Amino acid sequence: GENVEQHPSTLSVQEGDSAVIKCTYSDSASNYFPWYKQELGKRPQLIIDIRSNVGEKKDQRIAVTLNKTAKHFSLHITETQPEDSAVYFCAAIQGAQKLVFGQGTRLTINP
Amino acid sequence: SQTIHQWPATLVQPVGSPLSLECTVEGTSNPNLYWYRQAAGRGLQLLFYSVGIGQISSEVPQNLSASRPQDRQFILSSKKLLLSDSGFYLCAWSQTPYEQYFGPGTRLTVT
Repeated sequence: GENVEQHPSTLSVQEGDSAVIKCTYSDSASNYFPWYKQELGKRPQLIIDIRSNVGEKKDQRIAVTLNKTAKHFSLHITETQPEDSAVYFCAAIQGAQKLVFGQGTRLTINP
Repeated sequence: SQTIHQWPATLVQPVGSPLSLECTVEGTSNPNLYWYRQAAGRGLQLLFYSVGIGQISSEVPQNLSASRPQDRQFILSSKKLLLSDSGFYLCAWSQTPYEQYFGPGTRLTVT
């Protein structure tokens, strides 16, 4: 089955700087890769996703890149703000129904 | 638009007691439904998923069970709770094979 590894587990950046979170996956058949943001005590929220037919997708300050050959994908947040502080989870789809999640990255934005 | 409900929001139960958590989805038909558990400060563990009424796939053998008596209703149950069952229980739905959206969650404390 699919295995997703996420790094780093914690990340601290200065407000205004960029943050990058990386994930690797094992199943070359996976074709969908979402990112979720979870604030303390809240539900995970889908913030961006990418399918295997594209290499990059951008939505304002966040972007996701995918390298199918190397089987890794990354979340990029530019011009970070205090409200970006949260736990971020990557995931890869297994089969047609299941998402396999990474272990999460706790991002802290320092003012 | 689609809405997902979970109840109760919080629950404190003694060890050995039964459990019933409910999830309902509005504004869609024949969704895929999922139950996840998140231990404190940890990642998302898929417990069960369902692609239709009466169709349940179990991901982790344990003392929990799931049922889908109606198209947009998903129930998580246990006959006897363990201390290790404490956590944040999240229901999720998807209409396509891809995007999953989470409910507000139930925070369960087993004492």
